[in-house]
Amino acid sequence: EIVMTQSPATLSVSPGERATLSCRASQSVSNNLAWYQQKPGQGPRLLIYGASTRATDIPARFSGSGSGTEFTLTISSLQSEDFAVYYCHQYNNWPLSFGGGTKVEIK
Amino acid sequence: EVQLLESGGGLVQPGGSLRLSCAASGFTFSSYAMTWVRQAPGKGLEWVSSISDRGGSTFYADSVKGRFTISRDNSKNTLYLQLNSLRAEDTAVYYCAKDRGIIAAGFDYWGQGTLVTVSS
Repeated sequence: EIVMTQSPATLSVSPGERATLSCRASQSVSNNLAWYQQKPGQGPRLLIYGASTRATDIPARFSGSGSGTEFTLTISSLQSEDFAVYYCHQYNNWPLSFGGGTKVEIK
Repeated sequence: EVQLLESGGGLVQPGGSLRLSCAASGFTFSSYAMTWVRQAPGKGLEWVSSISDRGGSTFYADSVKGRFTISRDNSKNTLYLQLNSLRAEDTAVYYCAKDRGIIAAGFDYWGQGTLVTVSS
């Protein structure tokens, strides 16, 4: 089973600042990695798939990078609507797995 | 517009059963894999089960294998999850999610979830 580890657990950022979220896989997942955003009371929303491809209608301030075991989600300039929990997800191997999440909160 | 609407959640006693449904619209249901993901109160996301586009392949997390059964009816555009032998640790919001492809390609649409509470 591939274990996905996200860091930090909580990230305090001021609006307009840059946020960098990390995700590490316990073994290579190639580029079969997605990022999701979840707000309270809502289902997750796909942001990035294939490690670096933005999903439909996702703003350009969201970018993904990495391959193998190390991945990064960058939000270049945080907007008020970006404060949420972010999850990485590997779909390279069964069982599929998610990271524990990073909460991005207002500083 | 893609829509996924889950139903069937509720309060059930330990050892009991439930069947969850997910009604899909806005896309060609039979062309995509579908998945159930759950989220315990205040916790992260946990993959539960996936089924291929035509239903020929199914996959389960070890935590539910032998107790849960995923299925689909492509003529009704509906995904199901049969939950048997329920335990307190199965308490969660259960989301259905549409795969980007025929299997394991990331999930591009999610429902709002249905809450399953297992308690005596």
